[in-house]
Amino acid sequence: KAGVTQTPRYLIKTRGQQVTLSCSPISGHRSVSWYQQTPGQGLQFLFEYFSETQRNKGNFPGRFSGRQFSNSRSEMNVSTLELGDSALYLCASTPSGGGGEKLFFGSGTQLSVL
Amino acid sequence: GDSVTQMEGPVTLSEEAFLTINCTYTATGYPSLFWYVQYPGEGLQLLLKATKADDKGSNKGFEATYRKETTSFHLEKGSVQVSDSAVYFCALRGNSGGSNYKLTFGKGTLLTVNP
Repeated sequence: KAGVTQTPRYLIKTRGQQVTLSCSPISGHRSVSWYQQTPGQGLQFLFEYFSETQRNKGNFPGRFSGRQFSNSRSEMNVSTLELGDSALYLCASTPSGGGGEKLFFGSGTQLSVL
Repeated sequence: GDSVTQMEGPVTLSEEAFLTINCTYTATGYPSLFWYVQYPGEGLQLLLKATKADDKGSNKGFEATYRKETTSFHLEKGSVQVSDSAVYFCALRGNSGGSNYKLTFGKGTLLTVNP
């Protein structure tokens, strides 16, 4: 069974641009979560989607948004990029009805904002 | 809110040495506790978990015991290997409703094991 797939693997953008990251969960998983990982702040929760609905959101500005499609694939978008948005963005999926205890992570998208 | 504090790294050990990485948490109610490991260039993988007080999670020679009285979940391994070199994250999942799929992570501890 294929794991969680995130694309692209690396991304370089300039300040003010916007970016869209993609995540394909493990087949059959309906919950997708996004995390931002930085050396200073560690891993911080962005948001979680289940059946195309956002169920939970972290403390990030409105520039960070996401969505989930009917096939459970998810995208996150960051508008008006700032230097501080440079980070590894990790996506994780959870089995349907699995109680949410085990997250399966992708390898992440490394975003660099210049 | 929920929070996790783990010992600052980096930790450097020789092969076959004993490992302890301390982790303490703050949460309401009865959270579930986890250790995740991140190898270079990869995403996080669940290493072990414990869902209630006094539970011991174990995997690949690693162990951690959920201590509610000290709000701790320290990671231990009796004899580390070079292949254990990675970043280790302590995490909790609160049970305060509506946040089943949100984990709160510590900042991670880099472990380097030398041959």
